This record gives sequence, structure tokens and C-alpha cells, in this order.
Amino acid sequence: ETGVTQTPRHLVMGMTNKKSLKCEQHLGHNAMYWYKQSAKKPLELMFVYSLEERVENNSVPSRFSPECPNSSHLFLHLHTLQPEDSALYLCASSQDGRGGTFGAFFGQGTRLTVV
Amino acid sequence: AQKVTQAQTEISVVEKEDVTLDCVYETRDTTYYLFWYKQPPSGELVFLIRRNSFDEQNEISGRYSWNFQKSTSSFNFTITASQVVDSAVYFCALTDSSYKLIFGSGTRLLVRP
Repeated sequence: ETGVTQTPRHLVMGMTNKKSLKCEQHLGHNAMYWYKQSAKKPLELMFVYSLEERVENNSVPSRFSPECPNSSHLFLHLHTLQPEDSALYLCASSQDGRGGTFGAFFGQGTRLTVV
Repeated sequence: AQKVTQAQTEISVVEKEDVTLDCVYETRDTTYYLFWYKQPPSGELVFLIRRNSFDEQNEISGRYSWNFQKSTSSFNFTITASQVVDSAVYFCALTDSSYKLIFGSGTRLLVRP
């Protein structure tokens, strides 16, 4: 198993759908992150959880709702998305909320398309 | 405020050439950490290196080397004798006292055979 696993790898959803992205880390880290990567834009930090508490929320629209039930799992619940939300969503984990001694480890991402 | 600038959007070199990727950062903190990541076409970001603000010693790892200069707020990355497999997008990132790992816009490196 890879260190950080994201499912699904690809997702197509309508604007009225509700879906969830899942992230699981097997590295014993205590911080997890959601990033959004759009074409022609830098990686945007969306949420940071440290010790299962949200420590950062970068003014993300409420149609994105994170959940961190334990230090190994992170979800991103999606509802009533817009076409501009289409992007690659990357999950990461690290030893601490500052990127960790050995950096944050990233999953392969979920390619989301909103139609 | 934190900021990471990678001015080079895309670089194209011929195999075996040396190439340097530039990174300039901004932070008000005296304690911070700098990172480089590689993003191959498969999508995941691969951690390459982390340096803290108190360690300006340059580092070499095989064909990779990093030049950290606090005086110019730069953390440049050099690939020696580039190979086709080095083709990817490379990101520089910064974290300080806030819980934010902030990335630059990335530099796309194309190594041609």
C-alpha cells in the first residue's frame, strides 16, 4: 500500500449531486491536508487538520465540507458544486501541521469534473 | 504574509544539460521550512527535500543539489546532467509558524532526448 491513498481517482458529478472524496494515510502522521490544483493556478491549500482538529480553513466555500474522524482518515464532502470546482484534489499528511520533518506526503489525487 | 515565487513557468533542456530552478520566498518569521516537490504526470507530489531556516548549508543528493541563501530569500534547485525522467513539474513550498504549507506556482521542466 502506498503511504497516502485517495479514492476515487476520477469523479464526474452533476451540480446537484452529493459526493465524498476519501483519503487514508498509513504513515502514522497526525496532520492531514486538502489541496486543490486547478489548471494554470498554484496549489491552493483548502483545509488542514492537526490531531483531528481543523486548524486552517482558507476561506473555502461551504459547498466543500471536510471531515476528519481520526488521524488516519480525511474526507471532503461535496455538494452543489460549480463547473469551476473541476480540478485535481490532493490529500496530504505529515508528522505535524507544518509540513513535517520529512515533508508532507501526497496522494495521487482525485480528478473531479463537475458537469 | 507568506509567498513563494517561481518565476520560471517552463524550462526546456536537452538531456545531460544542467538546469537550475529558481525559488524566492517571503515570510516574516525567523523560523521557517522550505521544501521542493516533484509532480510527475501521474499526479502525486513527491517530496524531495526540506530545509529549515537555520541551516544554510547547501545539500547535494546524487544529481540534485540545493542552494539556500537567506540573504536573497532564495532556495534554488539544480539538476546536474538532466535525464528524460526528470521531466515533471517542480514545486517549491514554504511553511512557517502558521499551519500552512504554501506552494509556488511550479516550474514545468521538459528534458528532451
